[in-house]
Amino acid sequence: DADVTQTPRNRITKTGKRIMLECSQTKGHDRMYWYRQDPGLGLRLIYYSFDVKDINKGEISDGYSVSRQAQAKFSLSLESAIPNQTALYFCATSDGRTGNYGYTFGSGTRLTVV
Amino acid sequence: GENVEQHPSTLSVQEGDSAVIKCTYSDSASNYFPWYKQELGKRPQLIIDIRSNVGEKKDQRIAVTLNKTAKHFSLHITETQPEDSAVYFCAASKGGTSYGKLTFGQGTILTVHP
Repeated sequence: DADVTQTPRNRITKTGKRIMLECSQTKGHDRMYWYRQDPGLGLRLIYYSFDVKDINKGEISDGYSVSRQAQAKFSLSLESAIPNQTALYFCATSDGRTGNYGYTFGSGTRLTVV
Repeated sequence: GENVEQHPSTLSVQEGDSAVIKCTYSDSASNYFPWYKQELGKRPQLIIDIRSNVGEKKDQRIAVTLNKTAKHFSLHITETQPEDSAVYFCAASKGGTSYGKLTFGQGTILTVHP
């Protein structure tokens, strides 16, 4: 479904460049997350936000920053990209108000740093 | 923080057989355990979840069991079909203010041979 939209879908960038990945959602969920997926490592949490004024680091936040511009928008930035940040990045949302904590994932952004 | 270990990393079965994937978690405060299925090139999708006040939950051919004492939970798929082939991820979440923030296992690649 298009409830959680990530842009771009694919991106190749050079080492040292700043890059922003964007996520927007129409589900009305209050919680948003950024994960990266690497083969054999599963999904690892980078940052999460439980509402617009709430930003929290995940387990692998070094080298990343985020901005929650509105309830529906959550952007991930790589300040100075390095090759080991090459990965598949997923944005996810959940509804903390209803007690239904299942995630809805975006389609992912495949990032390659050369 | 929470640590989730998932086994096996790959699982190959014949169509019609059962498949079992196991996860262990480290934090006894964890109380929400979802399972996600990720088909090739697609986003992870929630297939079933269980909370700590329940020992087992079923949904057609899939079931999840939870052993809080041993801190492990398992996904059971019966009568497997080729369309069950995918990567499966378990996850765990603690209660309190972090409730809903998921820590994922490393994933299991399930292949169902016709």
